Parts: sequence; C-alpha cells; structure tokens
Amino acid sequence: GAGVSQSPSNKVTEKGKDVELRCDPISGHTALYWYRQSLGQGLEFLIYFQGNSAPDKSGLPSDRFSAERTGGSVSTLTIQRTQQEDSAVYLCASSSSGTENYGYTFGSGTRLTVV
Amino acid sequence: GNSVTQMEGPVTLSEEAFLTINCTYTATGYPSLFWYVQYPGEGLQLLLKATKADDKGSNKGFEATYRKETTSFHLEKGSVQVSDSAVYFCALSDPGTGGFKTIFGAGTRLFVKA
Repeated sequence: GAGVSQSPSNKVTEKGKDVELRCDPISGHTALYWYRQSLGQGLEFLIYFQGNSAPDKSGLPSDRFSAERTGGSVSTLTIQRTQQEDSAVYLCASSSSGTENYGYTFGSGTRLTVV
Repeated sequence: GNSVTQMEGPVTLSEEAFLTINCTYTATGYPSLFWYVQYPGEGLQLLLKATKADDKGSNKGFEATYRKETTSFHLEKGSVQVSDSAVYFCALSDPGTGGFKTIFGAGTRLFVKA
C-alpha cells in the first residue's frame, strides 16, 4: 500500500482479555518494527522482523507479548491477559532492507486502553 | 549500551525565533542519526538524517550536523513558525543490529506562539 496501515486505530479492552493489533507495511518493505509509546514517554522498541523472521525480540516486555509476520507482509502483535500498564500507543514502522538505515515510515498507531 | 539523550521540553518560542534542540548520543561503531517529528494527532515522520560524520541533514528549513567529536546531532531552525509546533525525536540506528534497529530519545515538545 501507499503507507503503513495499522488497525484498529483505537482499542478499549478489559483487564485480562487478549488483544491483537495489526500492521500492514508498505509494499516491498522487508523490515518491520513494533514500538510502544506511553503517555509522555519516548518510543520503546519491542520487536523487529526481517522478512518473516524476528532477529531481535529483546524489547518484548513479558511472555504475554508475542508477534508474528506472515508472507513477508502483514504482522500481528498479540498481548495476552492484558494489564493496565499495557495501555499505550503501539506503533508499527517499515523500511526497505539494505546495508543502511534510510529511516522508517510509521503508521498512525493503535491506541490501546486497558480498563 | 547505545542511547540518545535530548533536551527536556517543553520548549516555548515566539514565531520567527531561532530554534535549537540539543541531542547527544552514545554508540559503538558508526550509527546513522535521525530527527523525526510528530505533529499533533499525527504519526511520526522522518524529518532529516545524516549517515556519517560531518554530514548535514536538512529539510523544511531544519538542519542538523553529525558531530562525531562531540557525539551530537543538534536540531536547528533559523525562524520557527506556529506550524512547527510538534514533538521532535532524535534517534540513532543501532550499528550492532546491522543498522536496522532505531533507538529514540524521549522527545522534545515545541510550542510556537504567534
């Protein structure tokens, strides 16, 4: 697509429920990234994909968080048994692969509120 | 580990004032450096970048020079406008990951008054 698309744009869920967040990157971008932005905070790295594999999962906060990417395209971030501290804006970005980082294109994010 | 430190905000300026937002970094190797901007209600956008020492990135009247000797990448604009009000993030690509993972600073909010 023309840009990075994330859905839903807003999600309110009850504590303890599971949620799935979706990211559709720019067509042809092989690298995909998930970040989390809490209120008034910077961006916290969660995970990145190169194709369908995830070389770096170091930012996932706990084993309640998981992510997958299929077909080198769409990615899903799943949070199980949500907690109130999971409330944040979850941002997805993509970039073309290569030997240099040319910068990311970000989606508009999913605002998750756990009540 | 690698990190980015930028000046705390908010920064409040009058229209046509000179802007500097300080950014320093810690990294092994030779990272690329970036400034991203987040306008109210919008997603992050790449503003400018520099890939090696002494490079100057520029866009929309903003500039930043990659200073390896001071490990800095300060953002400057000669005359700000109300429309520049946004949150600005300094960032570096982590060379340890082949250049793909980006580490962001905490962001600096800029308010420009008419």
